[in-house]
Amino acid sequence: KQEVTQIPAALSVPEGENLVLNCSFTDSAIYNLQWFRQDPGKGLTSLLLIQSSQREQTSGRLNASLDKSSGRSTLYIAASQPGDSATYLCAVAPNDYKLSFGAGTTVTVRA
Amino acid sequence: DAGITQSPRHKVTETGTPVTLRCHQTENHRYMYWYRQDPGHGLRLIHYSYGVKDTDKGEVSDGYSVSRSKTEDFLLTLESATSSQTSVYFCAISEFGLAGTYNEQFFGPGTRLTVL
Repeated sequence: KQEVTQIPAALSVPEGENLVLNCSFTDSAIYNLQWFRQDPGKGLTSLLLIQSSQREQTSGRLNASLDKSSGRSTLYIAASQPGDSATYLCAVAPNDYKLSFGAGTTVTVRA
Repeated sequence: DAGITQSPRHKVTETGTPVTLRCHQTENHRYMYWYRQDPGHGLRLIHYSYGVKDTDKGEVSDGYSVSRSKTEDFLLTLESATSSQTSVYFCAISEFGLAGTYNEQFFGPGTRLTVL
């Protein structure tokens, strides 16, 4: 059974600092990895999807890397803003279409 | 935003009553999912569907059933609601296996269910 871990569980940074969020998974036989954002009381918003054949994916200030052999992915958010405050979830799809989720990292960006 | 709606958005019901939650999509995606989100457990898959009338169980399917008679609708039914089914329920959709699709999942806004 795929286990997905996100450390730390919570993170507080001053505005302008770069954010580094970590995700690790136990089974390297994955189809893809997806990063989501969740605001309080809201649904999940897809941020980035990395296919198993890719090493990284970028969208604006966001960059996600994938190292399947070590079972790790990292989400970088450059020049953080108070609007980046949210919970960030990592999810891994094994060799089918069902996602296994981590518990998330709750980020607070202080103005 | 992906065209996914869930109804109702909030529901309070009593133990032992049947409850049906609806997920509707306008994206014509083949795959649809029901998850529940609980503090300390994160998101867990209840059931999923890979086509009309094709469904299968996820990791926490006990006490739940699903139906999909049309591509756009996926129903989740709690036959006899229990307090342990108090949760936030999310529907998601994806497409997989066609050129340019990689199973990126898109989520609906959620339904908050309280079972008293």
